[in-house]
Amino acid sequence: DGGITQSPKYLFRKEGQNVTLSCEQNLNHDAMYWYRQDPGQGLRLIYYSQIVNDFQKGDIAEGYSVSREKKESFPLTVTSAQKNPTAFYLCASGGAKTYEQYFGPGTRLTVT
Amino acid sequence: DQQVKQNSPSLSVQEGRISILNCDYTNSMFDYFLWYKKYPAEGPTFLISISSIKDKNEDGRFTVFLNKSAKHLSLHIVPSQPGDSAVYFCAATYGGSQGNLIFGKGTKLSVKP
Repeated sequence: DGGITQSPKYLFRKEGQNVTLSCEQNLNHDAMYWYRQDPGQGLRLIYYSQIVNDFQKGDIAEGYSVSREKKESFPLTVTSAQKNPTAFYLCASGGAKTYEQYFGPGTRLTVT
Repeated sequence: DQQVKQNSPSLSVQEGRISILNCDYTNSMFDYFLWYKKYPAEGPTFLISISSIKDKNEDGRFTVFLNKSAKHLSLHIVPSQPGDSAVYFCAATYGGSQGNLIFGKGTKLSVKP
């Protein structure tokens, strides 16, 4: 089955700790994206990567970091510098010849 | 400044009737538009899209209309079913945007039996 997986579904961390969210895709897509969704808000772009070993900041990159060492994987680290890390995080991927992005199931991160 | 606006946070319709979800945009460079459906605690699912060279695209019960002069698009669902109850996001992009989508804040649709 082709798709995007995110793990874990729910994640709890103490304030001041870094945490890494996993995103894997087997759709052979070149592009991958990380979004954040807050209640009553749309999806806001954190980071994106069009190709392996290259990535760019989105609209709200502060306090986050990413890596793209493999085409299939695009992990997101939420650092202690992120002021409001509690949110629903969504990973997506997209092909080179289409604008459609396909989303994973999301990870709900709660930081207390 | 919001480039994609969904001004109705919620919409309630009766099963079997038509649901019309609206979206306005401000950036005249946008040339491709998408609608996504999202259930709580799940990722959005792609529904339907439209290129700016068209003014209508249809897929089963879902039809998207684009009015470029008004910078407005709408999603029609007919007939509406209880399973259509979800949050619907409008998104827009253009050729030079590296595939990045700009999302509206969503409209929560409730279809009552």
